[in-house]
Amino acid sequence: AQKVTQAQTEISVVEKEDVTLDCVYETRDTTYYLFWYKQPPSGELVFLIRRNSFDEQNEISGRYSWNFQKSTSSFNFTITASQVVDSAVYFCALSGNFGNEKLTFGTGTRLTIIP
Amino acid sequence: DAGITQSPRYKITETGRQVTLMCHQTWSHSYMFWYRQDLGHGLRLIYYSAAADITDKGEVPDGYVVSRSKTENFPLTLESATRSQTSVYFCASSEIGASMEQYFGPGTRLTVT
Repeated sequence: AQKVTQAQTEISVVEKEDVTLDCVYETRDTTYYLFWYKQPPSGELVFLIRRNSFDEQNEISGRYSWNFQKSTSSFNFTITASQVVDSAVYFCALSGNFGNEKLTFGTGTRLTIIP
Repeated sequence: DAGITQSPRYKITETGRQVTLMCHQTWSHSYMFWYRQDLGHGLRLIYYSAAADITDKGEVPDGYVVSRSKTENFPLTLESATRSQTSVYFCASSEIGASMEQYFGPGTRLTVT
């Protein structure tokens, strides 16, 4: 069974601070895929990143960075120099081997950036 | 415009009524998915489809029926709506399944009274 845990229900930080959103996952698959999605107040879900289980390189995209550590089953997301537009609910998600078409989401972290 | 659309965007129905939520995508993606979003649960998969005429259950399929006669459409039917089915429903599509990123529709907010 797959499971994704986002222990931080809500986080508030002042604008320009850095913030890290935690994601811990459980799976028995040897090949799996991890995702982060953003849900702004308007309600749509926006894809941010996909990472497969064989690629543990950290990734940076502008102010966003992701730290994937198989040893701790974590896939954390850091926003550097946060901005008000980063306020949203962020979901971590996990899917398994090809043929297992079930994307399991965490319960989400609501991030509020205070101006 | 290309993309994935859902209709209606908002729906209020009564307990016991049948209601169908529509989903349409213009990318010709093979896979389509239906999720429900509830507080404290994140998004949970209801049904998915790998191609026309191929569907399979997700995590919470009870009370729902799907069909996919055309690649671009994936309607979700609540045969006899219950209050517990009050939720926000999202449709999504992807090229080759859940191992690839999914693109989501804008959602349908359904209230069952």
